[in-house]
Amino acid sequence: DGGITQSPKYLFRKEGQNVTLSCEQNLNHDAMYWYRQDPGQGLRLIYYSQIVNDFQKGDIAEGYSVSREKKESFPLTVTSAQKNPTAFYLCASSDGQAWGDTIYFGEGSWLTVV
Amino acid sequence: QKEVEQNSGPLSVPEGAIASLNCTYSDRGSQSFFWYRQYSGKSPELIMFIYSNGDKEDGRFTAQLNKASQYVSLLIRDSQPSDSATYLCAVGTASKLTFGTGTRLQVTL
Repeated sequence: DGGITQSPKYLFRKEGQNVTLSCEQNLNHDAMYWYRQDPGQGLRLIYYSQIVNDFQKGDIAEGYSVSREKKESFPLTVTSAQKNPTAFYLCASSDGQAWGDTIYFGEGSWLTVV
Repeated sequence: QKEVEQNSGPLSVPEGAIASLNCTYSDRGSQSFFWYRQYSGKSPELIMFIYSNGDKEDGRFTAQLNKASQYVSLLIRDSQPSDSATYLCAVGTASKLTFGTGTRLQVTL
């Protein structure tokens, strides 16, 4: 089945550790995104990539890093510089059309700092 | 800063009634508008998108767009308990999508 797969679903991070969230899509979409969702807040864009080997910062990129070495993969690293990383992380993709582009989400990953 | 505003709710409607969810946005140049449904602890799923002024119907759902007044709404007819969720309004293009904080809908028996 086509879709977006995120792993792990639940992740616990100790203070000072870097962690990486995986995102893989088999929809043949050009564009991929990472969002963060906190309780009572809307989704906020962390990073996005419209093509392989290229990505742009979103609204809250500080403390995060990404790579886009393959079209189907867009991993997110939450670094120790991110002071409040506990949140629900959502990976998404779209076909990248200039008009009528629609974002579809993976199932999400819960990150908790312990 | 571009903003998308939604009433957080909860909006409570009886089963079988029409639920009306509203969203206003600040960027007058916005072209694309989306409604997502999000169940508690789950990721958002796309319900509808609309680009032109007027109404767009899909089954029990109708999206309404009024660019002059800068609002977009979602009507859910014959509301069912399974419609109980948070509904997110999103405005803009895919790489510049701004989400509202969502309206929580409760459909009561």
